[in-house]
Amino acid sequence: KNQVEQSPQSLIILEGKNCTLQCNYTVSPFSNLRWYKQDTGRGPVSLTIMTFSENTKSNGRYTATLDADTKQSSLHITASQLSDSASYICVVRGSSASKIIFGSGTRLSIRP
Amino acid sequence: GAVVSQHPSWVICKSGTSVKIECRSLDFQATTMFWYRQFPKQSLMLMATSNEGSKATYEQGVEKDKFLINHASLTLSTLTVTSAHPEDSSFYICSARGSGTGVFTGELFFGEGSRLTVL
Repeated sequence: KNQVEQSPQSLIILEGKNCTLQCNYTVSPFSNLRWYKQDTGRGPVSLTIMTFSENTKSNGRYTATLDADTKQSSLHITASQLSDSASYICVVRGSSASKIIFGSGTRLSIRP
Repeated sequence: GAVVSQHPSWVICKSGTSVKIECRSLDFQATTMFWYRQFPKQSLMLMATSNEGSKATYEQGVEKDKFLINHASLTLSTLTVTSAHPEDSSFYICSARGSGTGVFTGELFFGEGSRLTVL
């Protein structure tokens, strides 16, 4: 069964600290993996997209990694800011266009 | 990146009325669009898959007569909440999957969401 599991479910850290969010998937065959950020009351916005051949990709303070062998991805946030408070959703696309599987998200709260 | 526009972004209506929410892909074609519902502090919940020119596919537990979906063109899908009640108050989000042969093919882009409040 194609699944995407994210951990932790929620996370609270102090402003300025780093954190790492995890995404494990069983979608096969695999096409790509996206990390989305969803601010409260807004639609999800894509942060990064990782394909099979990519191990790491950065977007500002966000760095995503992908291990296609172990089917794991992480999103690392450096020097967190209050504006990073949001839900982060991992979405995996299978090679078939019909397979797009969502993780349940990680709710991140940054405290001053 | 591609843009998906939702309208209205928020709406307040009286109980018993119907509300229509539009989802448009602005710079790409989407034969498939998805509608989600999201309650506060919860993850997106897929309601239905909207296919251009055919009937929508609803997830288990979602009333098709309550949530009418029309996907009349490659760039527009609408969700109509019929006879809305306070328990229908929620955040509704659409996403569109690029189709054809363009750079967005197969990729998923989200709208900004529509907040419905039923009084």
